Amino acid sequence: GAVVSQHPSRVICKSGTSVKIECRSLDFQATTMFWYRQFPKQSLMLMATSNEGSKATYEQGVEKDKFLINHASLTLSTLTVTSAHPEDSSFYICSASFPDKFLYNEQFFGPGTRLTVL
Amino acid sequence: KQEVTQIPAALSVPEGENLVLNCSFTDSAIYNLQWFRQDPGKGLTSLLLIQSSQREQTSGRLNASLDKSSGRSTLYIAASQPGDSATYLCAVRGDNQGGKLIFGQGTELSVKP
Repeated sequence: GAVVSQHPSRVICKSGTSVKIECRSLDFQATTMFWYRQFPKQSLMLMATSNEGSKATYEQGVEKDKFLINHASLTLSTLTVTSAHPEDSSFYICSASFPDKFLYNEQFFGPGTRLTVL
Repeated sequence: KQEVTQIPAALSVPEGENLVLNCSFTDSAIYNLQWFRQDPGKGLTSLLLIQSSQREQTSGRLNASLDKSSGRSTLYIAASQPGDSATYLCAVRGDNQGGKLIFGQGTELSVKP
């Protein structure tokens, strides 16, 4: 398998501020990273797919100006929640893949980031 | 549009029981199906991945089956233990969806000692 980390693991912020979450692939180069959101007792919903060096592809209903995604290198993708509001409070999980390296193009998931907006 | 459903939503069993978790999907054109475990407040741990050409995969006390034509998969857990308590998620990857996974709602399993 492969290791994906996220930082921070938990963040509390005031309404109106911006928060940046990092997703790193530690022992492989990830050409594609995915960002998911999970509300309590609910499943993971894909927010966007990011490929290194290109703009992210957002799922329908996800505001690209609110959730800024940058995938500037093969080991790092960032999700910035701009002007956060209480309804943005959620568990954010990233995953990473490298199609040519791993059989079946498997995705490897990070440990998640708990965002609480006051 | 692919939809994934898991039944039951929650399950409580005594330690030692064998149990089956169900996952169904509406579009049979999948590339693979994956079962994950999620502990409270944590990320996902991959348990088993079944390619569309495969019928089942086994790992220890876990066995996952796939019937693509009927749009169903089951996760069988033998001799359940309290440490198996977690939420189990299944996810499918479509043939032409660029690698993205569609998740079910999960089954919350509680194994009582």
